[in-house]
Amino acid sequence: GAVVSQHPSWVICKSGTSVKIECRSLDFQATTMFWYRQFPKQSLMLMATSNEGSKATYEQGVEKDKFLINHASLTLSTLTVTSAHPEDSSFYICSARHTGTGVYNEQFFGPGTRLTVL
Amino acid sequence: SQQGEEDPQALSIQEGENATMNCSYKTSINNLQWYRQNSGRGLVHLILIRSNEREKHSGRLRVTLDTSKKSSSLLITASRAADTASYFCGSNTGKLIFGQGTTLQVKP
Repeated sequence: GAVVSQHPSWVICKSGTSVKIECRSLDFQATTMFWYRQFPKQSLMLMATSNEGSKATYEQGVEKDKFLINHASLTLSTLTVTSAHPEDSSFYICSARHTGTGVYNEQFFGPGTRLTVL
Repeated sequence: SQQGEEDPQALSIQEGENATMNCSYKTSINNLQWYRQNSGRGLVHLILIRSNEREKHSGRLRVTLDTSKKSSSLLITASRAADTASYFCGSNTGKLIFGQGTTLQVKP
């Protein structure tokens, strides 16, 4: 299989606090993982590409100091939303690509994390 | 913006009918992938079509790709109520950029 998990599946936090979301590839190694954000009834927007052992690459318009990404191992990437505000409330989805496969190969998606900031 | 267009945005059909949805993308791609998403859930990979392919089948799914028009279509034949979901195309340039999506409702 190619299973990707996310934790937590949902989180509610107060404005100004930081929230960490984990993305794990359970049965394969993933040098590269991706973080997406999805607002209600909208598509997935790529936020950043997470590379094991190096800095993440952020898409235009995404604040790297607000959305901290750490990809410390071949099976784990974390996204920390710092000083969260209500406008950060969204569905955050990660995906992972098998290590050693071509950059154009299939990505496997996690189940998503719903963040609600009060 | 990142995204391409998909149409229609919403589609409602009766069970047994065929559903066709289209997407366009903006840049040259290596492949294009179609995904399904049930409400509030993650994405499920349906089919991948490479840039040198024009048509691909998988079960009740048929995907076409026209790289000259930067467009693709997904046809679901003999639809079922369980096909009700949102469908997204992802253009792959090394990272997946998704279209706006089509919300499909199949009425039993």
